[in-house]
Amino acid sequence: QITLKESGPTLVKPTQTLTLTCTFSGFSLRTTGVGVGWIRQPPGKALEWLALIYWNDDKRYSPSLKSRLTITKDTSKNQVVLTMTNMDPVDTATYYCAHRPTGTTSGSFDYWGQGTLVTVSS
Amino acid sequence: SYELTQPPSVSVSPGQTARITCSGDALPKQYAYWYQQKPGQAPILVIYRDNGRPSGIPERFSGSNSGTTVTLTISGVQAEDEADYYCQSADSSGTYQVFGGGTKLTVL
Repeated sequence: QITLKESGPTLVKPTQTLTLTCTFSGFSLRTTGVGVGWIRQPPGKALEWLALIYWNDDKRYSPSLKSRLTITKDTSKNQVVLTMTNMDPVDTATYYCAHRPTGTTSGSFDYWGQGTLVTVSS
Repeated sequence: SYELTQPPSVSVSPGQTARITCSGDALPKQYAYWYQQKPGQAPILVIYRDNGRPSGIPERFSGSNSGTTVTLTISGVQAEDEADYYCQSADSSGTYQVFGGGTKLTVL
C-alpha cells in the first residue's frame, strides 16, 4: 500500500524559504523508473506541477519556477524534500507530493499525499 | 511555456454522457492522464495513457485521443461524479509536466 504525507510550516513570511518534506511508504526510490513529484494548488485554482525527482537522481523543474526550486531525496529515510526560495503571497497554496510510477501507468501521478496548506503572509 | 486547454465547466443531467476536452500541441506525441478532484480532497487518477483505466475506477470513465485533443468521457453520469477534472501531460520533449486549467463538472 503506497502512502505519502507532506510536512512543513503552515505559515511563512514573504522572502523566506519554504522547506517541505514528503515522507512515503509502500515503494522505494531505489526502484528503476520510480519518482516523486510536487504539485501545488492555490485556493480555488488549478493544479500546477512544480518538480520531479527520479530514482536515478534525475531532477526536473517547472520552467517558470526553476530558479527558486530545489528537490532532493533521502532514499534511506524514504523522504523527498522540496525547497522554494523567496516566498511571496501568490505562493499560498496546498502543496502535494505524489508517486510517479513505472510500468503501464508511468507518466502519471497515481498516488497523492493529503496535501499541506502553506500560507505566505507577514 | 507549454499549456493544456480545458473548458472551465461542463454540465450534464444524471444518466447523460459528459465529455471533457483537453487540447495541446504535444498531445500527438505525449500521453494524457486525467484526474478527478472533489472539494477538500487530493486528486485521483481516473485515466492513464490516453485511455487506460486504473483498477477501481468505474467502467463509465473512458478516454480517447484524436491528435491535439484528448477527451475524457463519462457515460451514465452519476451525482457522485460531480467534481473538478484535470488533464496532465508533458511537453514535446517529455521534460516538463503540465496540468490543464481544470473543468468543473456539474451534475444538474
